[in-house]
Amino acid sequence: DIVMTQSPDSLAVSLGERATLNCKSSQSVLDPSNKQNYLSWYQLTPGQPPKLLIHWASTRQFGVPERFSGSGSGTDFTLTISSLQAEDVAVYYCQQYYSIPYTFGQGTRLEFK
Amino acid sequence: QVQLQESGPGRVKPSETLSLTCSVSGGFINTYYWSWIRQPPGKRLEWIGYVYSSGSTKYNPSLNSRVTLSVDTSKNQVSLTLSSVTVADTAVYYCSRGYYEGDLGHWGQGARVTVSS
Repeated sequence: DIVMTQSPDSLAVSLGERATLNCKSSQSVLDPSNKQNYLSWYQLTPGQPPKLLIHWASTRQFGVPERFSGSGSGTDFTLTISSLQAEDVAVYYCQQYYSIPYTFGQGTRLEFK
Repeated sequence: QVQLQESGPGRVKPSETLSLTCSVSGGFINTYYWSWIRQPPGKRLEWIGYVYSSGSTKYNPSLNSRVTLSVDTSKNQVSLTLSSVTVADTAVYYCSRGYYEGDLGHWGQGARVTVSS
């Protein structure tokens, strides 16, 4: 199984500041045949269904605010929130869908400083 | 806007079979991948498997012998059964819809299931 490791486990950021969340996979999730990274980011907020933010490592899901961006390739990935808003306090998970079983990271809890 | 709603018993006894249903409104079953994911208390999300609208399935090998996913297009529902449950199967269970394998683009609110005697 591909093991996904996120860092940090928790992060405190001031309103309006940048948040950077990291995700590392135990093996590459880049398909050389199509140059796609099989990596998604999700946001989990209490009382709300989990929300897909980013897929293919850097493609923003329809309706997701532009302050969310994804980057990286191979085994190292980053989710960046350019200017933290109140509604962004949540737990964020990365997930690989390169090989079965699809696996998730342990999550990063994002809080206000 | 499609909505997914998971339903089932909140409590199941050890060794029994867990059955959950995902009811789909505002959209149809056809041409989508329907996945189930769970999150045990204090643990990370775990992918259980998916069923395509045609009925073809892929499962997490760790659960392969105990899990069955199916679709009922007449009822617009997706179902999960998990046999021989133990306390380790206590979790919030989510269903999700996707356009391609591995896509978890749209999720339900989740159903909490406790395995306890």
